[in-house]
Amino acid sequence: DGGITQSPKYLFRKEGQNVTLSCEQNLNHDAMYWYRQDPGQGLRLIYYSQIVNDFQKGDIAEGYSVSREKKESFPLTVTSAQKNPTAFYLCASTGAGLMNNQPQHFGDGTRLSIL
Amino acid sequence: AQSVAQPEDQVKVAEGNPLTVKCTYSVSGNPYLFWYVQYPNRGLQFLLKYITGDNLVKGSYGFEAEFNKSQTSFHLKKPSALVSDSALYFCAVSLFSGGYNKLIFGAGTRLAVHP
Repeated sequence: DGGITQSPKYLFRKEGQNVTLSCEQNLNHDAMYWYRQDPGQGLRLIYYSQIVNDFQKGDIAEGYSVSREKKESFPLTVTSAQKNPTAFYLCASTGAGLMNNQPQHFGDGTRLSIL
Repeated sequence: AQSVAQPEDQVKVAEGNPLTVKCTYSVSGNPYLFWYVQYPNRGLQFLLKYITGDNLVKGSYGFEAEFNKSQTSFHLKKPSALVSDSALYFCAVSLFSGGYNKLIFGAGTRLAVHP
């Protein structure tokens, strides 16, 4: 079945450490997104990518970095500069291109905590 | 500023009763509106969308939503609630801004259906 796979499901970060969250999709979607979910705040956009080798900052990009070397993959690195990384991270994709009337498909998330 | 509001943090209903989860939006132009559902430690699942046409939209699992342009609302409804409908529900509006598709989410409403 087509879908989005996020790994790991749970991740712990030590002080000063960078960690990378994986997101892989087999939906043949061009656009991919990373969101951060905190209780009572809905989802906030971290980074997005419309095409391979291109990505743009979202609303809360500070302390995060991404790459898009392959269409299927959009990993997110939480750097040591992100001082409050504890959250639930969701990856999404859509094949809508420039049409914004198609739903985004979501992975099952990675829960990141501080050790 | 463009935004989505879900005025209720929590909605409680008895099984078999009708349910309504409220959503209002503030965007310029004609909005594309979505409802998603999230179960614990899972990603978001698409329920339904309004693009154009009939103001009553039918979606997955017996849910429907009514678009009201004059009241800028898009309330989610179900005629008869099930205990299994208990989850976190998000309203979102899709915008095309800065050259990419962007989803703006409400803060979410937790639905609790009791037997």
